[in-house]
Amino acid sequence: DGGITQSPKYLFRKEGQNVTLSCEQNLNHDAMYWYRQDPGQGLRLIYYSQIVNDFQKGDIAEGYSVSREKKESFPLTVTSAQKNPTAFYLCASRQGQAGGIQYFGAGTRLSVL
Amino acid sequence: QKEVEQDPGPLSVPEGAIVSLNCTYSNSAFQYFMWYRQYSRKGPELLMYTYSSGNKEDGRFTAQVDKSSKYISLFIRDSQPSDSATYLCATSGNNNDMRFGAGTRLTVKP
Repeated sequence: DGGITQSPKYLFRKEGQNVTLSCEQNLNHDAMYWYRQDPGQGLRLIYYSQIVNDFQKGDIAEGYSVSREKKESFPLTVTSAQKNPTAFYLCASRQGQAGGIQYFGAGTRLSVL
Repeated sequence: QKEVEQDPGPLSVPEGAIVSLNCTYSNSAFQYFMWYRQYSRKGPELLMYTYSSGNKEDGRFTAQVDKSSKYISLFIRDSQPSDSATYLCATSGNNNDMRFGAGTRLTVKP
């Protein structure tokens, strides 16, 4: 089955803790994205990567970090610097060139303890 | 002003009704237009994809794009309770600038 797998489905963060959200795709897509979704605000871009070993900040990158060591994997770390991390986090990968369709994973819901 | 404006609803209709969902956008460079459907606590799934202006039909769903007025629409005919979800419009240009609307929450009542 081809697709995007996000884990875990639910994650809890303690004060001052860094947590890492996993995103794996087997679609052979070059570009991958991380979005944050809050109620009534739609999707906001955190980071994106067009190729391995390269990534760019999106609109709300502060308090987050990413890596892209393999084409299939694009993990997101929510650092302790992110003061309001409670949200639904979505990973996506893009088919083809810019403007191509983005496919999404099932999401990770992060809450603060 | 947001780059993509979408009425968040909520919108409630009886089963069998025709549903009209709409978005406006501000960037004239956008030329790819998408509608995603998102069920509660799930990731968005692509419903319709359109390039430039025009109509596209797929079963009960029709997407319309009017680039002159920067207006995109999704029509759902013979709506079903299983259509109850949040619908997100999205647009992009020739770089990594996909922008999403806030999503409209639709409930179709049996």
